[in-house]
Amino acid sequence: QQPVQSPQAVILREGEDAVINCSSSKALYSVHWYRQKHGEAPVFLMILLKGGEQKGHEKISASFNEKKQQSSLYLTASQLSYSGTYFCGTDQGSRLTFGEGTQLTVNP
Amino acid sequence: EPEVTQTPSHQVTQMGQEVILRCVPISNHLYFYWYRQILGQKVEFLVSFYNNEISEKSEIFDDQFSVERPDGSNFTLKIRSTKLEDSAMYFCASNLGQGGPRYYEQYFGPGTRLTVT
Repeated sequence: QQPVQSPQAVILREGEDAVINCSSSKALYSVHWYRQKHGEAPVFLMILLKGGEQKGHEKISASFNEKKQQSSLYLTASQLSYSGTYFCGTDQGSRLTFGEGTQLTVNP
Repeated sequence: EPEVTQTPSHQVTQMGQEVILRCVPISNHLYFYWYRQILGQKVEFLVSFYNNEISEKSEIFDDQFSVERPDGSNFTLKIRSTKLEDSAMYFCASNLGQGGPRYYEQYFGPGTRLTVT
């Protein structure tokens, strides 16, 4: 069952902040975050594991609430390069199931 | 930095033809994947492969699809009789996977755009 992301789209001015949410109806062991620019492959941003371990890029922050089966990705002081579609993926065995994506546009 | 490579970058085929999409995963990775992305939609899991066999497959991965690791480096996806609805971007990915894939990020290749006419 795929995770649900919100919002579907967000438009920011450079320097503004955004939060992207991901929730699942199933218990989660880990949540993965990826960013995809138009015409390109998804690029890894972060893994959040049950128990609090996180792996990812230094400039990206995220949270994982295991009880609520939710994760949030925090984008602060956004830059033009942050534009793209953000996908969360929930780990189910040896597969990742991705949400529908959140389209982020950062304007000058 | 090591990367996943895919060939061809674009494949055009006629409905009913067989296609083989090729991938070279990162050399020390243990888990390999194929995903599909129809234009403007989300990335959909097709199949995972570990220890020379399919680990998991989705409902999309029916009898028309097969995967193979014919040698120590290549990982292929074959579609036996393509349909119009198979038109999509196909991404290969690999994962270090030591102790289980859930602890590691997936490295995606650049994709093969398949167009079925």
